[in-house]
Amino acid sequence: GAGVSQSPRYKVAKRGRDVALRCDSISGHVTLYWYRQTLGQGSEVLTYSQSDAQRDKSGRPSGRFSAERPERSVSTLKIQRTEQGDSAVYLCASSLLDGGYNEQFFGPGTRLTVL
Amino acid sequence: AQKITQTQPGMFVQEKEAVTLDCTYDTSDPSYGLFWYKQPSSGEMIFLIYQGSYDQQNATEGRYSLNFQKARKSANLVISASQLGDSAMYFCAMRGAYKYIFGTGTRLKVLA
Repeated sequence: GAGVSQSPRYKVAKRGRDVALRCDSISGHVTLYWYRQTLGQGSEVLTYSQSDAQRDKSGRPSGRFSAERPERSVSTLKIQRTEQGDSAVYLCASSLLDGGYNEQFFGPGTRLTVL
Repeated sequence: AQKITQTQPGMFVQEKEAVTLDCTYDTSDPSYGLFWYKQPSSGEMIFLIYQGSYDQQNATEGRYSLNFQKARKSANLVISASQLGDSAMYFCAMRGAYKYIFGTGTRLKVLA
């Protein structure tokens, strides 16, 4: 089916390198979220964007995380100067609308390992 | 600050029995939404059920029901008639002004 997909599913990076993770959301969905999921710490939102404003709101204080949305249904999460603490599963989710309490549809995630 | 707490890291339930997964939350937003997601080993997060903070009735979706107690700030998930396919991680989540936050999850194992 036409769900949310992410690539790559697994990524290994050397500390200090930049990485880019891709998300293909559901066509027509307005809002796209990136989450970071770590074992025992749950999931935290990193950034989200609305297609009309191309707005990227980073929830991360360091600013090493950013998202680009070259097309409405495509987003790329960029992590600069990766650190070992960035090792986690990165989940992408999209929702049809923003505002209110709309269901989010999640992709399978990208497992990032920083060595 | 918003916070979601799931105090049960793991739970076991016998097939066909009911099970309750706990979730408490904290927020200063007057309006919020509460969600439960299931994450099987494949990794995808599957939406199960939603409860709005102003909803008067507890949400139900098939075998899933949400026991919403606003005064206690709890939103427990009840799964009735457990099936082997229910074995997964379950996450409670809250949506406030603009973002979701998730709990640390509960791993449910259904025993045959």
